[in-house]
Amino acid sequence: GAVVSQHPSWVICKSGTSVKIECRSLDFQATTMFWYRQFPKQSLMLMATSNEGSKATYEQGVEKDKFLINHASLTLSTLTVTSAHPEDSSFYICSAREGKAGYNEQFFGPGTRLTVL
Amino acid sequence: AQKVTQAQTEISVVEKEDVTLDCVYETRDTTYYLFWYKQPPSGELVFLIRRNSFDEQNEISGRYSWNFQKSTSSFNFTITASQVVDSAVYFCALSGVNQGGKLIFGQGTELSVKP
Repeated sequence: GAVVSQHPSWVICKSGTSVKIECRSLDFQATTMFWYRQFPKQSLMLMATSNEGSKATYEQGVEKDKFLINHASLTLSTLTVTSAHPEDSSFYICSAREGKAGYNEQFFGPGTRLTVL
Repeated sequence: AQKVTQAQTEISVVEKEDVTLDCVYETRDTTYYLFWYKQPPSGELVFLIRRNSFDEQNEISGRYSWNFQKSTSSFNFTITASQVVDSAVYFCALSGVNQGGKLIFGQGTELSVKP
C-alpha cells in the first residue's frame, strides 16, 4: 500500500519560534496533500488543501500567514508553524492523494506532535 | 453542508462482547464516500473501510462488519467478539465527490475493551 511519512514525529519548541513539518509520499506522486490538526480528545479538522505547484487553499478560520504550506514537488509538502505559541500545540497529520479526483483514496501520515512551551 | 455525527463519545465493553459504533451523515452530494478509521493511542490513523454511495451492500471483514443504509443516512460499524486490542478511537468520515476530496470527520468514539 501507499506510504506517507512525516518528519519529525514529535517536536518541542519555545514560544515564538517557527517549526517546519514535512510530509512525504514515499511510493507514489501526491498531486494533492491535506493538512489536519487534532487537539487532544477531539476530531481531525482540515486546515488546508495543497496541490502541487499552486497555492494552498485554507479552511475558514485558519490563518494563512501563521500556517505556511508549501507543496513544491509531487512527493513533498511542508507545513511551517510561524511564531508558534502554546495554543498551537497539537497533533498535525498530513494525508496525500494521487490525482485530484474526489474518489482517489487518501493515505495518512503517522502525525507530528507539536508542543510549544 | 456536509456533516458526520458520532453520537457515542465513549463506549466501554468487556472482552468478547459485540459492540456497534454509530455514524450518521449529512450531504447534498449524490455521489460520496464513507470511511471508518481506527486511531490507536500511537495516533496513526488506520484505514478500515471505504464505501461509495452506490454500494449499499453490507461488508464483513473478519470480526468487523459495516451496515450502510442510505434511507437513514447511517454507516454503522460492528465489532464482534471484541478484544482488548480493539481499544482505540474510531472515526467515521465522509467525502463528497464534488468537495475536492476533503474528508469530514465525525467526533470520534472512544472504545475501551476491558479484559
